[in-house]
Amino acid sequence: QSVLTQPPSVSGAPGQRVTISCTGSSSNIGADFDVHWYQHLPGTAPKLLIYNNNNRPSGVPDRFSGSKSGTSASLAITGLQADDEADYYCQSYDSSLSGYVFGTGTMVTVL
Amino acid sequence: QITLKESGPTLVKPTQTLTLTCTFSGFSLSASGVGVGWIRQPPGKALEWLSLIYWDDDKRFSPSLKNRLTITRDTSKNQVVLTMTNMDPVDTATYYCARRPNWGDTFDIWGQGTKVTVSS
Repeated sequence: QSVLTQPPSVSGAPGQRVTISCTGSSSNIGADFDVHWYQHLPGTAPKLLIYNNNNRPSGVPDRFSGSKSGTSASLAITGLQADDEADYYCQSYDSSLSGYVFGTGTMVTVL
Repeated sequence: QITLKESGPTLVKPTQTLTLTCTFSGFSLSASGVGVGWIRQPPGKALEWLSLIYWDDDKRFSPSLKNRLTITRDTSKNQVVLTMTNMDPVDTATYYCARRPNWGDTFDIWGQGTKVTVSS
């Protein structure tokens, strides 16, 4: 039961910019807990893409960026490439659940 | 290099207990702030956090599953074990273990996952 809501899918042409929203509540994102983003390709381990709202691990291109405001967060992908096709998940911590929460997931399709 | 690897049965029968082991290397679960968590993904569904054990042996569980889960660690073997009782076909999923680093409530390194099917 995901408590973070994402759009099921987004799409864009190569080179375009797409954004994925992640909507939470006052007990997670709105409580100032950090938001993290993962890229997940079928059959592989999820990969940390953005941590602590807007930081990229070493090796992640600067085409990926994150932001957070209020009870929501966003992931932006610029210069969309074919190998960006994957599922993307946001994740945070929830104080009322005393645990970690993931988003519903968004499939990115490159047209 | 930090690695984690899940191991356990690929098939369990309904009502049985599932035991999964996460064997890790390249970091210490005794280091302050570090944790190891379990996350699963049923076929066609989203990632779901299950449990996490911290460096100080503090344990957290998903509220919806806490009555069925146990998590333990063996720091000498660099292992974390998750048990889930009363397995049901809806528990069919790929189960991942992942490291929670000391700098954030995130999972920075993941295992490859192990697929578990619940069927009679």
